[in-house]
Amino acid sequence: QKEVEQNSGPLSVPEGAIASLNCTYSDRVSQSFFWYRQYSGKSPELIMSIYSNGDKEDGRFTAQLNKASQYVSLLIRDSQPSDSATYLCAVNPGGYNKLIFGAGTRLAVHP
Amino acid sequence: NAGVMQNPRHLVRRRGQEARLRCSPMKGHSHVYWYRQLPEEGLKFMVYLQKENIIDESGMPKERFSAEFPKEGPSILRIQQVVRGDSAAYFCASSPGQAGADQGGQFFGPGTRLTVL
Repeated sequence: QKEVEQNSGPLSVPEGAIASLNCTYSDRVSQSFFWYRQYSGKSPELIMSIYSNGDKEDGRFTAQLNKASQYVSLLIRDSQPSDSATYLCAVNPGGYNKLIFGAGTRLAVHP
Repeated sequence: NAGVMQNPRHLVRRRGQEARLRCSPMKGHSHVYWYRQLPEEGLKFMVYLQKENIIDESGMPKERFSAEFPKEGPSILRIQQVVRGDSAAYFCASSPGQAGADQGGQFFGPGTRLTVL
């Protein structure tokens, strides 16, 4: 079992819709969770972090965490073509400073 | 520019040569991480360093790869006797403290694209 799993996509949504990106992780003691956006040929950009169960909102982005189900998600409201990128879920495993990344989900927002 | 800096941005080496990748963390950050991204694959942790100390090198290949973060100057990722399989994007990230404890995540540099001919 991979430590952090994401659907590779592509996830295709129309402009203005809600994009829902999901991630599961295997290490139950993981404490910190992050979403990064990576445009093709560019470096990962941190867009959201979440540490407690529940929802965390920042502009058009909402991160959701359920530690009991070992599940973290990212919602993007009012999706724009500029949101088209690969979204990487990253987990900070308990007791370590490294980040474990999922393979990423490609999001395509079409006009 | 207070972001993470990496150079060179592109590096071409022939098999058997050495590659040196440099990383300067964000101002105020004392923790440096190196990740490798192979074509069409995810980011893989390689090594975590603080000034003059390697804290976690569990992701580093056992041979040919080394990293340092001296008291003065940038962090260096060194690959000796490169092979074609080393061709990848190498990203450096930094954080002010522990990635989880400071609740700030890690911030990535632009990366070095290594091509081995």
